[in-house]
Amino acid sequence: GESVGLHLPTLSVQEGDNSIINCAYSNSASDYFIWYKQESGKGPQFIIDIRSNMDKRQGQRVTVLLNKTVKHLSLQIAATQPGDSAVYFCAGESGGSNYKLTFGKGTLLTVNP
Amino acid sequence: NAGVTQTPKFQVLKTGQSMTLQCAQDMNHNSMYWYRQDPGMGLRLIYYSASEGTTDKGEVPNGYNVSRLNKREFSLRLESAAPSQTSVYFCASNGGVVNEQYFGPGTRLTVT
Repeated sequence: GESVGLHLPTLSVQEGDNSIINCAYSNSASDYFIWYKQESGKGPQFIIDIRSNMDKRQGQRVTVLLNKTVKHLSLQIAATQPGDSAVYFCAGESGGSNYKLTFGKGTLLTVNP
Repeated sequence: NAGVTQTPKFQVLKTGQSMTLQCAQDMNHNSMYWYRQDPGMGLRLIYYSASEGTTDKGEVPNGYNVSRLNKREFSLRLESAAPSQTSVYFCASNGGVVNEQYFGPGTRLTVT
């Protein structure tokens, strides 16, 4: 099955800086990954996804990089804002149908003004 | 669209009591999921339902049962609550076109 973990449990950055949140996975057969953002007291919200046939995908102020060689993906947030403060989870597809996801433990991002 | 809704938002139970957590989605999604989230851990899948009439176990199904009442609703039942089931429970749904899951706001359950 999939095992997804994060390198750091917390990350603190200054407003305006770029943030990088890392994630490692164990199942080389995983072909789909998602990043979620969870604000305090709320459910996770989709940020961006990437398929294994891609190395990079960009959204609005966010970029996800996938390195299949070392089974690592990262989420980059440009010009981090106070509203970006949240817990960020990576999730990998467990394989098979039914779209089951395995979630990492999360990284708490704190943006300092 | 309300998306995914969950009731109740908060619940306190005594050990041995039973209760049902309700979840509904108005996005006409086929797949629905129940997760629990504990401090310092990610979301762990309890049960899921790929379509109306089917349910399957996830990673941590012990102590729980589910019912896919219809396409909209997917309930999670604790028959005899235990302190180890103190957690935040999230329901999610997926339309199947892409793999994105949409989450509800969660139910915070405390078992004393």
